[in-house]
Amino acid sequence: AQSVTQLGSHVSVSEGALVLLRCNYSSSVPPYLFWYVQYPNQGLQLLLKYTSAATLVKGINGFEAEFKKSETSFHLTKPSAHMSDAAEYFCAVRYNAGGTSYGKLTFGQGTILTVHP
Amino acid sequence: DAGVIQSPRHEVTEMGQEVTLRCKPISGHDYLFWYRQTMMRGLELLIYFNNNVPIDDSGMPEDRFSAKMPNASFSTLKIQPSEPRDSAVYFCASSGTGRETQYFGPGTRLLVL
Repeated sequence: AQSVTQLGSHVSVSEGALVLLRCNYSSSVPPYLFWYVQYPNQGLQLLLKYTSAATLVKGINGFEAEFKKSETSFHLTKPSAHMSDAAEYFCAVRYNAGGTSYGKLTFGQGTILTVHP
Repeated sequence: DAGVIQSPRHEVTEMGQEVTLRCKPISGHDYLFWYRQTMMRGLELLIYFNNNVPIDDSGMPEDRFSAKMPNASFSTLKIQPSEPRDSAVYFCASSGTGRETQYFGPGTRLLVL
């Protein structure tokens, strides 16, 4: 079984401050991990993904995430927040073993990021 | 590429009515997923198809829900009869074999009165 836990349903930062959104996962097989962003009234858009290559993954809009197997974590960071980063962020893990669950994504509950001027 | 297309974008209906949501996946993608998003339960996978065949429908909440994929470019999610607790945003997503990324449509916001 696999699961994703996002620590903190709401995170608030000032413009220009570091953004850190936390994600921990559990998976019985080596996972693929994803961060998606959802702007109000829109669908989910892929920010970045880890697929067993480099552990530090760079995504769009200046975001990056580091896969740490020992900590079962995949935290999302951005050095300097911008007002346009305000959105909801979802961490997801993909099941990579066989069977009917292959390819399914399990999402965390989401973290709403607020950016203050 | 037009991306995943969903229609309608908004649907308001009365309890007991039939609701049909539609999805056109990205051309060439052979996996299609239906999700439901609510405040209480977050993002839930309802069902997914591979090459138009339903693979896993364990997330479908009850028999009132059904999904079909008659061809590679079209899928429907039907609720009959609809209930107020079905009010949610329903997303369709697609991906290609061997490609890890699921691409999401803009969603259908359903309100059942």
